[in-house]
Amino acid sequence: QKEVEQNSGPLSVPEGAIASLNCTYSDRGSQSFFWYRQYSGKSPELIMSIYSNGDKEDGRFTAQLNKASQYVSLLIRDSQPSDSATYLCAVVPASGTYKYIFGTGTRLKVLA
Amino acid sequence: EADIYQTPRYLVIGTGKKITLECSQTMGHDKMYWYQQDPGMELHLIHYSYGVNSTEKGDLSSESTVSRIRTEHFPLTLESARPSHTSQYLCASSEAGGRNQPQHFGDGTRLSIL
Repeated sequence: QKEVEQNSGPLSVPEGAIASLNCTYSDRGSQSFFWYRQYSGKSPELIMSIYSNGDKEDGRFTAQLNKASQYVSLLIRDSQPSDSATYLCAVVPASGTYKYIFGTGTRLKVLA
Repeated sequence: EADIYQTPRYLVIGTGKKITLECSQTMGHDKMYWYQQDPGMELHLIHYSYGVNSTEKGDLSSESTVSRIRTEHFPLTLESARPSHTSQYLCASSEAGGRNQPQHFGDGTRLSIL
């Protein structure tokens, strides 16, 4: 089992729809969770940080964390073609604070 | 807005050359990282540093070396470049602190070894 798992996609959604991206992790003691967006050929760009169970909203983005079920998700409301990118989930396991475990990413395609 | 800079952005160079990829940040972050990423593939941590004079190897075996003489500067060196070193190299930094802070990435260096 990978430490951080994401469906590679592509996830295709129509413009204006809600895109739902999921990430599961194996270390139950993990405390810090991050979502990054990466356009093709570019570097990852931080979208959201979440540390506590529940929802955290920032504009069109909502991160959801459920530590009991060991998953973190990202919802993108009113999806735009410019949201088409790969979304990386990153988790900091309890075992080592230097190590940010990145998932392989989910490729999102928003269809105009 | 993260201020972390990598140079060069692109480098095409012959086999056997010594290469240094530069990474600087102006945020005063203690933690710095180097990742390697091939197109469409996952990030692999190759080096990290917790502060001045602190460097460690990451999970991916790499023939590169790093130094951390100043807080803001974390260069990566390849003593003798090979075609297998062709990849994108990403530098990142984060604040130290009780709660893990997100990493902020530079724009990357795309390296091609002929």
